[in-house]
Amino acid sequence: GAVVSQHPSWVICKSGTSVKIECRSLDFQATTMFWYRQFPKQSLMLMATSNEGSKATYEQGVEKDKFLINHASLTLSTLTVTSAHPEDSSFYICSARAAGLAEKETQYFGPGTRLLVL
Amino acid sequence: LAKTTQPISMDSYEGQEVNITCSHNNIATNDYITWYQQFPSQGPRFIIQGYKTKVTNEVASLFIPADRKSSTLSLPRVSLSDTAVYYCLVGPNSGGYQKVTFGTGTKLQVIP
Repeated sequence: GAVVSQHPSWVICKSGTSVKIECRSLDFQATTMFWYRQFPKQSLMLMATSNEGSKATYEQGVEKDKFLINHASLTLSTLTVTSAHPEDSSFYICSARAAGLAEKETQYFGPGTRLLVL
Repeated sequence: LAKTTQPISMDSYEGQEVNITCSHNNIATNDYITWYQQFPSQGPRFIIQGYKTKVTNEVASLFIPADRKSSTLSLPRVSLSDTAVYYCLVGPNSGGYQKVTFGTGTKLQVIP
C-alpha cells in the first residue's frame, strides 16, 4: 500500500531556532499534501494544504510566514517552523493524496513528528 | 464540509463487538464516509470507507443507512490492541484536491 514517511520522528530545539520537517510519499506521487498539528488529547487540526508546484493554502489562524511549506516535487513536502517558541511544541502530521489512485482511501498519513521547543 | 458528531469515549471488554456511531446530517451527495484509527504518537491509519449500505473488510464493517445521515463502525471481537481513538470523516473522494476536517473522535478503551 501507499506509504508516507516523515523525518525527523522527533526533534528538540531551542526557542528562536527554525526546524524543518520532511514529508515523503515513498511509492506514489502526491499531487496534494496536507499538514496537521495535534496537541495532547486533542484532534488533528489542519494547518495547510499544499499542491505540487504552487503556493500552500493556509487555514484561518495559521501564520504562513511562521509555518513555511514547500512542495517542490510530487514526493516531497517540507514544513519549516520558523523562530520556534514553546507554544509551537506539538505533534505534526502530514498526509498525502495520490493522483489517479484506484484505492478508495482518501489520504495516507505519515507517522508524525514530535516537536519540543525549549 | 460535513460536520461529524461522535461519542467522546467508549469502553468495551475484550472479545466483544464494538459499534461506534457517527452523525453527519449535512452529508453531500458526493461525500464518502471514512474511518481512521489513531494510536498515541502515531499518524491516523485508514480502517474503512463507504458510500452507502454496508462495507466489510478484514478488520471492520461499516453500516450506512439509506439517508446516509449517520454511519456505524463495527469492530468484531475487540482486543486490547484496539484501544485507540477512532475518527469518522466525511468528504469527497474524487479529484485531486480535497480537505477533510477531523472531529473529536471516539476514544475506545478495551478492558481485559
